[in-house]
Amino acid sequence: GAVVSQHPSWVICKSGTSVKIECRSLDFQATTMFWYRQFPKQSLMLMATSNEGSKATYEQGVEKDKFLINHASLTLSTLTVTSAHPEDSSFYICSPTRGEGKNIQYFGAGTRLSVL
Amino acid sequence: TQLLEQSPQFLSIQEGENLTVYCNSSSVFSSLQWYRQEPGEGPVLLVTVVTGGEVKKLKRLTFQFGDARKDSSLHITAAQPGDTGLYLCAGEDSNYQLIWGAGTKLIIKP
Repeated sequence: GAVVSQHPSWVICKSGTSVKIECRSLDFQATTMFWYRQFPKQSLMLMATSNEGSKATYEQGVEKDKFLINHASLTLSTLTVTSAHPEDSSFYICSPTRGEGKNIQYFGAGTRLSVL
Repeated sequence: TQLLEQSPQFLSIQEGENLTVYCNSSSVFSSLQWYRQEPGEGPVLLVTVVTGGEVKKLKRLTFQFGDARKDSSLHITAAQPGDTGLYLCAGEDSNYQLIWGAGTKLIIKP
């Protein structure tokens, strides 16, 4: 299977600071990257979709200025949570896809963010 | 907006019992995927069903896609404690995006 590297796996930060999460597809080129958020005991909630070299498309209710997504290359995408607050504490999962058209999604191991 | 209703949301049973998880929608999906997720980890794909009426087996797990490709089920036979986890279904829509079910938290007691 495809290898996806997401880090950090766990981060604790103070309220008001920014946190960057990296997601790398190690053995394939990810034309599209999905970023999800998952609260305890709930399913995955799509936050945004990004294609390499273009601006991300955010889902309704997700603040684009707060959750900055950069998809600068076909193997790397980052999600920056700016001015984090306790309500941003969640489990964030990246999902790079490969191939044109057909959605073959792979998933990172996730990042547990705890904002104090 | 396409929705995928997954049930039950929580299930706790004894080792050796059988169980079925359902995912239902009023919309047609190109395919439907089943995932299992452990705490603190990303979801891991178990199976993808594509054809209406398709049945796939993975050891004690049986996955079925409805004839109309609007619903799917996961049946576990003789559940074991190792089956404990969060099971998620996700349907692929016409835009190749995944529509996620709410998840089923499964606990198998020894």
